[in-house]
Amino acid sequence: GEDVEQSLFLSVREGDSSVINCTYTDSSSTYLYWYKQEPGAGLQLLTYIFSNMDMKQDQRLTVLLNKKDKHLSLRIADTQTGDSAIYFCAESNDNQGGKLIFGQGTELSVKP
Amino acid sequence: DAEITQSPRHKITETGRQVTLACHQTWNHNNMFWYRQDLGHGLRLIHYSYGVQDTNKGEVSDGYSVSRSNTEDLPLTLESAASSQTSVYFCASSESGDTEAFFGQGTRLTVV
Repeated sequence: GEDVEQSLFLSVREGDSSVINCTYTDSSSTYLYWYKQEPGAGLQLLTYIFSNMDMKQDQRLTVLLNKKDKHLSLRIADTQTGDSAIYFCAESNDNQGGKLIFGQGTELSVKP
Repeated sequence: DAEITQSPRHKITETGRQVTLACHQTWNHNNMFWYRQDLGHGLRLIHYSYGVQDTNKGEVSDGYSVSRSNTEDLPLTLESAASSQTSVYFCASSESGDTEAFFGQGTRLTVV
């Protein structure tokens, strides 16, 4: 079946850039998402990219999609301590929003 | 403000008992979803609904059931709780054709 893989941990210094990587197997993925989960909270949509795009930028966030390699990345510029959270990559092959296949999540730790 | 709420936030139950977790959203969204979150697995889809009287099985539906008698609510029932169902459960909703899903705060269920 479909699978989404992420590395589990990433540690960066405040002010540096963070890059979180994700690979997926479903070639029919239509939408690819990045969600953020803060401790004790639900998931919050950060950004998403449609599969016919290769890049999307939204303020400090840059999403890169390599459809040939089925690789998605999230770059956070000027990472702040408030960015410390778990980041989930997810994919969907329809436009119904919540029917998602998630990666395991990457725990981002930002050190001052 | 419109929102999605889950109750209870924490529950401890005994093996073999029936348990129902509530999910209520006030956006009038057609789509509702239940996920479970476990270390190393990310979030996995249990059941979902695209409207009143519609329910569908997700990836890990065994031992769970849902019913959708109105737009606002999708209760999740564990027919006979097992220790393997100890997890954090998230409910989400989205509008048809919309890419963004909104997640509740989660219910931490412990089966002893």
